[in-house]
Amino acid sequence: QQKVQQSPESLSVPEGGMASLNCTSSDRNFQYFWWYRQHSGEGPKALMSIFSDGDKKEGRFTAHLNKASLHVSLHIRDSQPSDSALYFCAARMTNSAGNKLTFGIGTRVLVRP
Amino acid sequence: EAAVTQSPRNKVAVTGGKVTLSCNQTNNHNNMYWYRQDTGHGLRLIHYSYGAGSTEKGDIPDGYKASRPSQENFSLILELATPSQTSVYFCASGGRLGGPQDTQYFGPGTRLLVL
Repeated sequence: QQKVQQSPESLSVPEGGMASLNCTSSDRNFQYFWWYRQHSGEGPKALMSIFSDGDKKEGRFTAHLNKASLHVSLHIRDSQPSDSALYFCAARMTNSAGNKLTFGIGTRVLVRP
Repeated sequence: EAAVTQSPRNKVAVTGGKVTLSCNQTNNHNNMYWYRQDTGHGLRLIHYSYGAGSTEKGDIPDGYKASRPSQENFSLILELATPSQTSVYFCASGGRLGGPQDTQYFGPGTRLLVL
């Protein structure tokens, strides 16, 4: 079983709409979370990090963390065609050797013009 | 943003051959990582390094070796390449702050095909 599970596997939203991505970890030792975005043919790029319970907003992107339920979400407001990409949730444990990250398998987002 | 470069960007190898993938970062990060990306598996950690001279096994190290000759360079070595190692390989670096809040920065990837 994946230690970091993402849902849905894929998502289609209209341009200007809201995209909501979910991530659940299976281990309470995961305390630090990132969302990465990967466009086709490129490497993943860190979009946002969140380490405390609650919401964190950066432009059109809002991340929410609830450590009690081991749940992280990412909401993309006013979605643009350039937001079409593969989104990864990544988690790190406190005292992780080498600061290793554990990644989910990703959610593919398609923004329809 | 951190600069991580990889070479080659594309590689075709034969089964049983030796393959070396190279990575360079210019941001003086301590930690470097090698991942592979496969559909249905996300990104999986192969090897990582704390600094020059150090290499550590990640989650899927079998069939791979790593070398960190300097702070800037980290190589992944496939001594005897197999078709199951066909994948996209990413290098990443991180560790400016030295704590658990450090972000990892990825290179553009190397697409490897083993025939």
